[in-house]
Amino acid sequence: DSGVTQTPKHLITATGQRVTLRCSPRSGDLSVYWYQQSLDQGLQFLIQYYNGEERAKGNILERFSAQQFPDLHSELNLSSLELGDSALYFCASSVHEVGLPEAFFGQGTRLTVV
Amino acid sequence: GDSVTQMEGPVTLSEEAFLTINCTYTATGYPSLFWYVQYPGEGLQLLLKATKADDKGSNKGFEATYRKETTSFHLEKGSVQVSDSAVYFCALSGGNTPLVFGKGTRLSVIA
Repeated sequence: DSGVTQTPKHLITATGQRVTLRCSPRSGDLSVYWYQQSLDQGLQFLIQYYNGEERAKGNILERFSAQQFPDLHSELNLSSLELGDSALYFCASSVHEVGLPEAFFGQGTRLTVV
Repeated sequence: GDSVTQMEGPVTLSEEAFLTINCTYTATGYPSLFWYVQYPGEGLQLLLKATKADDKGSNKGFEATYRKETTSFHLEKGSVQVSDSAVYFCALSGGNTPLVFGKGTRLSVIA
């Protein structure tokens, strides 16, 4: 158990809908990272938050947004969903802002868009 | 930008065979290098790491050496077990950037 909790584990929704994925980091970790894992693209970094502030942005679509709350949990919002958004979405946490991000990963949320 | 290239799978080995999964990287500066493992239905777990040239990371019988001259970080294990069946990801971090992953190599070990 990595100590990172993601909910829900599975999500099935229709195209055009909006969903929210939730991540609780390990106790004491201030950084939260979101990654998308798909068969064709591999693991793609989406966005990082550190202590409530956006720290780094990767290949995140404009239809996607995220935030980190004062209690350090984070949510990833995906809207106007398309079939191609079907993927595993991982959250990871780390104590570091920069330097050596030995991130600990949650078990992921499998999103299926039908 | 930074990138990681690892050998395509799947790799299928018999139990007790020798394993090598190749990984090369492109990065500015001196990144830290990692191997992660993803068992079926689970998230990624850090397997080993190396933070500077010639460092050797090791864990659970796996090892990898940071080779700056060849920009490589190949994963090796002398004798694989069925329980090693998983997807292995090579990754780097340039210090100010989040982890950049390779596409993963699926390993299947048969008894």
